[in-house]
Amino acid sequence: SQELEQSPQSLIVQEGKNLTINCTSSKTLYGLYWYKQKYGEGLIFLMMLQKGGEEKSHEKITAKLDEKKQQSSLHITASQPSHAGIYLCGADVGQGAQKLVFGQGTRLTINP
Amino acid sequence: GAGVSQTPSNKVTEKGKYVELRCDPISGHTALYWYRQSLGQGPEFLIYFQGTGAADDSGLPNDRFFAVRPEGSVSTLKIQRTERGDSAMYLCASSFLGGNTEAFFGQGTRLTVV
Repeated sequence: SQELEQSPQSLIVQEGKNLTINCTSSKTLYGLYWYKQKYGEGLIFLMMLQKGGEEKSHEKITAKLDEKKQQSSLHITASQPSHAGIYLCGADVGQGAQKLVFGQGTRLTINP
Repeated sequence: GAGVSQTPSNKVTEKGKYVELRCDPISGHTALYWYRQSLGQGPEFLIYFQGTGAADDSGLPNDRFFAVRPEGSVSTLKIQRTERGDSAMYLCASSFLGGNTEAFFGQGTRLTVV
């Protein structure tokens, strides 16, 4: 069963606009991972968050983990066509750090 | 190699047949994971190896599924008597030591059972 909820499930934005994807758990997260996936391909690691209140940025993508460590957001600034894809959050929910539970993914489309 | 390598990239097999999916992890990575991803869903954990031993196989759906990693490097996921419901993308990942370090994923094997 899914223990991570992602929202929205799909998102269409105009190129150049900002956007946010959310990932919520009912349990405390011991490690939160963001991955990007092109359709039919493997997952590309983006960022890992572990501490409550932690925030990391890479190029135009910023990820945050809330203080309670139950919610994370991924924010993209000035979106580009290269940002299109499926974004997945994965988390260790205390079952063992080696076993990640994933959300269902958010499909992002960037319109020119 | 530079990344996690999975072969074949695509596999079509008939219902009832046996298949093997191979994963070659990043050199030096001691932890290896198998996940299964159905269309429109996130990956679901199958099994985790630390070295040669299966540290956690609780995600394997039934006894038709088995995985080995005899020398602590390459792993093979084996599926017996395949069923149409086994059709999915099978993803392999590896990481250094396991635990709270990022896992790097391969490109996956898309299995189709007809």
